[in-house]
Amino acid sequence: DIQMTQSPSSLSASVGDRVTITCRASQGIRNDLGWYQQKPGKAPKRLIYTASSLQSGVPSRFSGSGSGTEFTLTINSLQPEDFATYYCLQYNSYPRTFGQGTKVEIK
Amino acid sequence: EVQLVESGGGLVQPGGSLRLSCAASGFTFSDYWMSWVRQAPGKGLEWVANINQDGSEKYYVDSVKGRFTISRDNAKKSLFLQMNSLRAEDTAVYYCARTTHFDYWGQGTLVTVSS
Repeated sequence: DIQMTQSPSSLSASVGDRVTITCRASQGIRNDLGWYQQKPGKAPKRLIYTASSLQSGVPSRFSGSGSGTEFTLTINSLQPEDFATYYCLQYNSYPRTFGQGTKVEIK
Repeated sequence: EVQLVESGGGLVQPGGSLRLSCAASGFTFSDYWMSWVRQAPGKGLEWVANINQDGSEKYYVDSVKGRFTISRDNAKKSLFLQMNSLRAEDTAVYYCARTTHFDYWGQGTLVTVSS
């Protein structure tokens, strides 16, 4: 199974900050990775697919990068509505596996 | 507008069975792989199973193999998850998701396994 190691598990940031979340895959997954945002009591929402493609309707302050085993989600100029938990997901091989999640909290 | 609506969750005793449904609308259901993903209370997301467009390919996470069965009815635009021999650790919100890179998700249905 491919393990997805996501870091940090949580972070505190202020509105306007730049935030970076990392996912490392235990083996190469090309660019078969997505990033998801989840707010309490809600379904996950896709932000990024194929590692760096921005989902239609998602603000451009969100960006993704990486390929192979190292991936990054960056949020430029954090907004109040961005406080949530973020997950990466690899869909290169079975079983599909998620990172453990990163909770972004208000400082 | 793509919509996925899950139903069928509830309280079930350990060892019991439950069948979840997911009604799809707003897209050509038969063109897409579909998935079930679950989330235990206060925990992260876990992929459960996938099914291809005509139901001929199915994949499962090891922890549910032999107990859960994913299926679909393209005429009714519906996805199903038959869950047998349920355990306490199966307690979770179950989401269905359209599996073009998991682009659309339903709102989830809660399954509680408890005596």
